Amino acid sequence: GQQLNQSPQSMFIQEGEDVSMNCTSSSIFNTWLWYKQDPGEGPVLLIALYKAGELTSNGRLTAQFGITRKDSFLNISASIPSDVGIYFCAGQLGDNSGAGSYQLTFGKGTKLSVIP
Amino acid sequence: DTEVTQTPKHLVMGMTNKKSLKCEQHMGHRAMYWYKQKAKKPPELMFVYSYEKLSINESVPSRFSPECPNSSLLNLHLHALQPEDSALYLCASSRLAGWAYEQYFGPGTRLTVT
Repeated sequence: GQQLNQSPQSMFIQEGEDVSMNCTSSSIFNTWLWYKQDPGEGPVLLIALYKAGELTSNGRLTAQFGITRKDSFLNISASIPSDVGIYFCAGQLGDNSGAGSYQLTFGKGTKLSVIP
Repeated sequence: DTEVTQTPKHLVMGMTNKKSLKCEQHMGHRAMYWYKQKAKKPPELMFVYSYEKLSINESVPSRFSPECPNSSLLNLHLHALQPEDSALYLCASSRLAGWAYEQYFGPGTRLTVT
């Protein structure tokens, strides 16, 4: 089945620093989603990407849909303590082609720790 | 409004109990999902409902029984669970299933089976 490689697995940064994480896939997706999850809570959608090459921002967050449709990255600028959590990327076929198109394929997550 | 609500927040049940998890959304979404998430792992898809009909059952044991009474509600009935079923159970919804729409997750129910 499809697998997403998300890196890094974890990172410790100083408050105010910029953060970058990425996901790569062995196959193509038509949609990339980035979620943040706090302990004991559900994932919260940060950014959705629908078009190869698309660059989208949401406040201090910027994400890009790779031109090959096999990768995506998320940048966080000027990190603050509330950025702490686990960030998941997820890819989706979303082409109504069958059972596989329903699936979100998740990366294993990047655990972000911010040192004040 | 992109809110999906889930009740209860926490549930502790014995292996002989019957309990239900509830999920609700009022975004007009016609696709609803149940996921299971173990600690330090990404969510795993269990069931997909599209237009109130079960579309996907990802080889989930029959001790988990989903139900979609209407387009806003999704239940997960639990019976004779095992300790290894302890996990965070997440509900999600999207505008349609199978197409490229965002999935919005609820806060989850933390289930402990004793």
